[in-house]
Amino acid sequence: QQQVKQSPQSLIVQKGGISIINCAYENTAFDYFPWYQQFPGKGPALLIAIRPDVSEKKEGRFTISFNKSAKQFSLHIMDSQPGDSATYFCAAGSGAGKSTFGDGTTLTVKP
Amino acid sequence: EAGVAQSPRYKIIEKRQSVAFWCNPISGHATLYWYQQILGQGPKLLIQFQNNGVVDDSQLPKDRFSAERLKGVDSTLKIQPAKLEDSAVYLCASSQWTGPPYEQYFGPGTRLTVT
Repeated sequence: QQQVKQSPQSLIVQKGGISIINCAYENTAFDYFPWYQQFPGKGPALLIAIRPDVSEKKEGRFTISFNKSAKQFSLHIMDSQPGDSATYFCAAGSGAGKSTFGDGTTLTVKP
Repeated sequence: EAGVAQSPRYKIIEKRQSVAFWCNPISGHATLYWYQQILGQGPKLLIQFQNNGVVDDSQLPKDRFSAERLKGVDSTLKIQPAKLEDSAVYLCASSQWTGPPYEQYFGPGTRLTVT
């Protein structure tokens, strides 16, 4: 049973455009929703995270939108740059720090 | 601050052989995680340690996988015997917190190829 579903699997955006990646979860016990960025040959790196008592969090060009009733959250990358080309993972955490990851979205930003 | 260290970075073995991976977490991080990341998928938690105790090993295939963190610092993950489907990147992560925010810091991973 996949507890965190991520879409799309891949995304191509022009430089300067907005990249949007969506995730949906099932378990209402999740209380922490991070996004990770992973470059080839590297481990995932925490990008931004949100708690369920907040509907939106913005850090620079990255924004998380959170809809608790729909059990959905999304990552928006404004003014996407070629350097943003990477794989992005959403995750949901709960309990003693256990996180469940989505299957990732490969983002390609074309110059 | 040094990051999470893992070794080796790459390993190629034949099926039925054994292999071990090593991880040294960020200094002071009490929680250590081992994940398996199959190509095209997200990381899947294998085992979570809090200091030298196991918090969650529900998804660890215990017939062939074992892990230890004897002194509550570095950790070793072992596979014996390996199967073809074990080919994956094995990621180690550490966290300072056991409650939210569950910020995890990942190492570069070990890419295992089983032939």
